[in-house]
Amino acid sequence: QLVESGGGAVRPGGSLRLSCTASGFTFDDYGMTWVRQAPGKGLEWISGINWRGDTIAYADSVKGRFTISRDNAKNSLYLQMNSLRADDTASYHCAREGYHYFGMDVWGRGTTVTVSS
Amino acid sequence: EIVLTQSPGTLSLSPGEGATLSCRTSQSVNSNYIAWYQQKPGQAPRLLISGASRRATGIPDTFSGSGSGTDFTLTISKLEPEDFAVYYCQLYDNSLKWTFGQGTKVEIK
Repeated sequence: QLVESGGGAVRPGGSLRLSCTASGFTFDDYGMTWVRQAPGKGLEWISGINWRGDTIAYADSVKGRFTISRDNAKNSLYLQMNSLRADDTASYHCAREGYHYFGMDVWGRGTTVTVSS
Repeated sequence: EIVLTQSPGTLSLSPGEGATLSCRTSQSVNSNYIAWYQQKPGQAPRLLISGASRRATGIPDTFSGSGSGTDFTLTISKLEPEDFAVYYCQLYDNSLKWTFGQGTKVEIK
């Protein structure tokens, strides 16, 4: 199970830190990702991190503004979001990458971020 | 950057009918890197297919995936009421990066 938290309303230019807490599986066996969905829109992958936390990738839309990290001792994934813009408004989901296959097999329900003045 | 184009945008069908959803990539890809998801309103996506054709745990055999190169297909052999949803294809684009298609909505006719 994955449970996200930390969403909320923020002004443009502001910051938020999202958390994703995992349970029911060995967290440090898996790569993890963040995927967002703007209201009424499709899915957008935004960031991923491998099991050790030493390989990280970002979508161009968030590179330089968002930082992904994980704490395997706490079974937790994080997304630090800075310089937020109105187009960052979305539901943010964490997801587990498959073990030895390519797909995201466990998803959280999401946490909502609203960026508005 | 490889682009995924799903078609049609919306598919209007009746329960019991079959559905064929297409996902085309802008260049040839490794079929192991293609996945399909189902998303219902207010819910997180659910993995249906990985490796273009391998059903995820618990997915009924009415769902099947196929394809290679640039053309991939998700087939639902007989639509159940709970199958009306939005479906996304996805590509693993190396170096931990992923791309989603824009989605196909399967709606009740």
